[in-house]
Amino acid sequence: GAVVSQHPSRVICKSGTSVKIECRSLDFQATTMFWYRQFPKQSLMLMATSNEGSKATYEQGVEKDKFLINHASLTLSTLTVTSAHPEDSSFYICSARDGLLGNTIYFGEGSWLTVV
Amino acid sequence: KQEVTQIPAALSVPEGENLVLNCSFTDSAIYNLQWFRQDPGKGLTSLLLIQSSQREQTSGRLNASLDKSSGRSTLYIAASQPGDSATYLCAVSPNAGNMLTFGGGTRLMVKP
Repeated sequence: GAVVSQHPSRVICKSGTSVKIECRSLDFQATTMFWYRQFPKQSLMLMATSNEGSKATYEQGVEKDKFLINHASLTLSTLTVTSAHPEDSSFYICSARDGLLGNTIYFGEGSWLTVV
Repeated sequence: KQEVTQIPAALSVPEGENLVLNCSFTDSAIYNLQWFRQDPGKGLTSLLLIQSSQREQTSGRLNASLDKSSGRSTLYIAASQPGDSATYLCAVSPNAGNMLTFGGGTRLMVKP
């Protein structure tokens, strides 16, 4: 079946550096991808909606200059956390919409980011 | 703004019990509602998807109901097993674009 792959699954970075998380749809074209963030013991919160070939739409309170989203192809979206700080440590999950299958969405396995 | 609430936040039951998880949402203008399972530190597994025109969906020991007008959904788990231990999340979508608003989740522990 359709699979969404996220990479890396875990990453530790130093404060002030940038880290990129990739979200790939492996066997379908994802015109839309979504990025969510989940802090420990909290639910997922939508960060942004990413449409292929256009700028991402960010939710209120999410800094677009800090969380750079690029959806350059129909199978890949990337989230770059720039100048990461310890408070950015979180679980980041992407999901991708398969427009050909009744708008079915699939979730990635998530990426644990720890900023030290 | 849509708000999704799940009750209870945590639940511990002995193996074999039937249980009900509750989800409520403030804006009844939804496109669909989904129930997900999340194991600790893992991504999401979609359990059941209910379209706004549907009343319930069933999959194995799971049954989800939707009362759109009252803004409520329930997830019924029959004959619970230790392997059912996880966090269960409900989420609603306002349109076919699949942007989801999640509830806070119910952390379920099924004791052997």
